[in-house]
Amino acid sequence: GAGVSQSPSNKVTEKGKDVELRCDPISGHTALYWYRQSLGQGLEFLIYFQGNSAPDKSGLPSDRFSAERTGGSVSTLTIQRTQQEDSAVYLCASSISGRAYEQYFGPGTRLTVT
Amino acid sequence: GNSVTQMEGPVTLSEEAFLTINCTYTATGYPSLFWYVQYPGEGLQLLLKATKADDKGSNKGFEATYRKETTSFHLEKGSVQVSDSAVYFCALSTDRDDKIIFGKGTRLHILP
Repeated sequence: GAGVSQSPSNKVTEKGKDVELRCDPISGHTALYWYRQSLGQGLEFLIYFQGNSAPDKSGLPSDRFSAERTGGSVSTLTIQRTQQEDSAVYLCASSISGRAYEQYFGPGTRLTVT
Repeated sequence: GNSVTQMEGPVTLSEEAFLTINCTYTATGYPSLFWYVQYPGEGLQLLLKATKADDKGSNKGFEATYRKETTSFHLEKGSVQVSDSAVYFCALSTDRDDKIIFGKGTRLHILP
């Protein structure tokens, strides 16, 4: 497939557990973004990777959230000690450098913390 | 800081009705403005964009005009269809960074 893929599509976890969400961007896209979509809250920017530059982590809501991007391709968003307020759809997007508006979004991972 | 405010939904219209979804923004500098759409079960996708004042973006019968004097970018369509049912997000980006600031989204329901 040529699009952005994310896994898992759905994740149910117990409060206090750690979760990892994966994103496979479009091949050749150097920019990768993570967003959180909560009910009634729109899309909240979390973190942005661009090539080999240091990531822009300004949107991460707490130190329980972290992300890495290996080899300039696949990215993993990790949430430690999950809380119920972490329940949301987590979206990943990728784009060609310098063309943020042409972000291609993945289908998202729906996270439910019980 | 930069922000986007759009009308709250849900918006429910009958087929062939005229649609307006209001969007206003606050930004430093000269932002580019966008509308994204999220159809049920699909990923978010760019619907249209405008990069400077008085530009009109258009796609799939939708239009939006970049109004600097009113800091607005309202989405309009003359005759909506059931297939237009989706969530619509107004957004902006500035030259300063590669991030996009999204509004909260407006859910649109079109009744046959």
